[in-house]
Amino acid sequence: NAGVTQTPKFRVLKTGQSMTLLCAQDMNHEYMYWYRQDPGMGLRLIHYSVGEGTTAKGEVPDGYNVSRLKKQNFLLGLESAAPSQTSVYFCASSLSTGVNYGYTFGSGTRLTVV
Amino acid sequence: GQQVMQIPQYQHVQEGEDFTTYCNSSTTLSNIQWYKQRPGGHPVFLIQLVKSGEVKKQKRLTFQFGEAKKNSSLHITATQTTDVGTYFCAGGYTGNQFYFGTGTSLTVIP
Repeated sequence: NAGVTQTPKFRVLKTGQSMTLLCAQDMNHEYMYWYRQDPGMGLRLIHYSVGEGTTAKGEVPDGYNVSRLKKQNFLLGLESAAPSQTSVYFCASSLSTGVNYGYTFGSGTRLTVV
Repeated sequence: GQQVMQIPQYQHVQEGEDFTTYCNSSTTLSNIQWYKQRPGGHPVFLIQLVKSGEVKKQKRLTFQFGEAKKNSSLHITATQTTDVGTYFCAGGYTGNQFYFGTGTSLTVIP
């Protein structure tokens, strides 16, 4: 049981380049999330999805797009990368928002934009 | 937007000492979750509190949810080196998302 798998684990981009981060979960979870983690700022929600075919904006959505074409996958896209997007990106999923349904996080993608 | 404040940002303790981290919200929470992130790792879910005044224990860890559901705390008794990491609270409001605190980084000195 792999849980939540993120690819790639590391990436270096030049300013203006585009890329897609892939998140895959094998737990049949309905909810999926993308967070970024920066020093001293905790985890900030970028976008989330409450089911296949749905997406919604979180706290810091600008510069990012997402898609959830299949229940098990949640893609995060950067159309034109900027140095301010240098961060560690975590994907998470949860079965529901009921009692004790905590998030399961992937191992993260460390992105550097130069 | 919603904001969850967490203090302290850093805490260094001698092994065997106790440790507490606090979370506060300006508005009422529907529930709160706690996570632990080891250095270089990813957050791992510890527990969720839902009821006003709720107290839950996991071995040496005690979690509390305030009566007004605006604050929460995590207390570790007799810290061990395995407790090293960053502890995050995540406040849930109406809707499907949680707002994470900035975390408390715990260092345990052997």
